[in-house]
Amino acid sequence: GAGVSQSPSNKVTEKGKDVELRCDPISGHTALYWYRQSLGQGLEFLIYFQGNSAPDKSGLPSDRFSAERTGGSVSTLTIQRTQQEDSAVYLCASSLAGREQYFGPGTRLTVT
Amino acid sequence: KQEVTQIPAALSVPEGENLVLNCSFTDSAIYNLQWFRQDPGKGLTSLLLIQSSQREQTSGRLNASLDKSSGRSTLYIAASQPGDSATYLCAVGGNQGGKLIFGQGTELSVKP
Repeated sequence: GAGVSQSPSNKVTEKGKDVELRCDPISGHTALYWYRQSLGQGLEFLIYFQGNSAPDKSGLPSDRFSAERTGGSVSTLTIQRTQQEDSAVYLCASSLAGREQYFGPGTRLTVT
Repeated sequence: KQEVTQIPAALSVPEGENLVLNCSFTDSAIYNLQWFRQDPGKGLTSLLLIQSSQREQTSGRLNASLDKSSGRSTLYIAASQPGDSATYLCAVGGNQGGKLIFGQGTELSVKP
């Protein structure tokens, strides 16, 4: 079946602009995660959605970052007023509750 | 705070060798542990998931072990092949399937 998909695959934006990154999880997966991977920080957790529970936002680095998951499926990660340090690969994953996480190909964000 | 360490950071071996990658974590109260591989410029591919109640998991030429009490996991790769060249990441999950905490990875190169 189809895996996790993310769009766009690459995004170049100017400092100060807002960006939206999209994630389509594997159908039927109740959990959805956002991570980011940068050269200096490795792979770090951002936010986690599980069913109808309140999301775990403990990894969001600032209030410029937000995410939503509509209808228990598609998720959008929004970064407002982008900064150069936001440049990274943003990875989305999905899973059944407590099970193996499957990752998408990522969105490479470059802030100029 | 959970910390995950992977040793070595890089490893180069000739084709056909058996090899072991190491992962250690500071908090033994984990829910599961997952091994991934990442090819350059790509997302993460899940290799093996070990639940906290398990001691090992096997898939083909791969075998992962888990010793919670000592905070260690190993990934054993038998009869390595050039196609095994990639970065291998270990990640620890807590809180019944929430976020994963990642190590920095081991970059493996298998020479023909």
